[in-house]
Amino acid sequence: GEDVEQSLFLSVREGDSSVINCTYTDSSSTYLYWYKQEPGAGLQLLTYIFSNMDMKQDQRLTVLLNKKDKHLSLRIADTQTGDSAIYFCAESIRYGQNFVFGPGTRLSVLP
Amino acid sequence: DSGVTQTPKHLITATGQRVTLRCSPRSGDLSVYWYQQSLDQGLQFLIQYYNGEERAKGNILERFSAQQFPDLHSELNLSSLELGDSALYFCASSVDPGGETQYFGPGTRLLVL
Repeated sequence: GEDVEQSLFLSVREGDSSVINCTYTDSSSTYLYWYKQEPGAGLQLLTYIFSNMDMKQDQRLTVLLNKKDKHLSLRIADTQTGDSAIYFCAESIRYGQNFVFGPGTRLSVLP
Repeated sequence: DSGVTQTPKHLITATGQRVTLRCSPRSGDLSVYWYQQSLDQGLQFLIQYYNGEERAKGNILERFSAQQFPDLHSELNLSSLELGDSALYFCASSVDPGGETQYFGPGTRLLVL
């Protein structure tokens, strides 16, 4: 079955780059997503990548996809304290259907 | 403010009861998604509707049901509630059926005692 794994915690210093990693098991995953959840707040869809892409950049965010290793990463450049949140990786096999989420990575940004 | 509204914000009920959670999507959005977030199960996709029709079904229990009405608002009905149903229930909406640009509501926090 489908399974998505992430490391649970990551700490970085303000101004450094953060890299949050995710692995998934289903090779037929076509869409991969990153969501952000700030403390006490709802969810926010940050970005997504199609499986036929290797990289997607959106301002400070860079998503890298290694299909061979089923590995997805989210790089946040110049990490700020406002980036402190839980980041969820998710996959879906069909277009916008049946999202499967990882456990989330709690990013702490230290001053 | 995402433009997606959910009511109620908080709900406390007892085991065996039935509750209804309501979601109003952003103006113009045709697709509504329901998610459950709990300590035990993490974040799970429950179900999606697009323009009144069920489009995708995830880990939704048989005790749960949902529908999307002609005015595009959606309701999630949870019946025969168990302690394990205590969770934060999120609704999201998008204009397209693919979920590439989902906007989330603030959630309804359900506590089953």
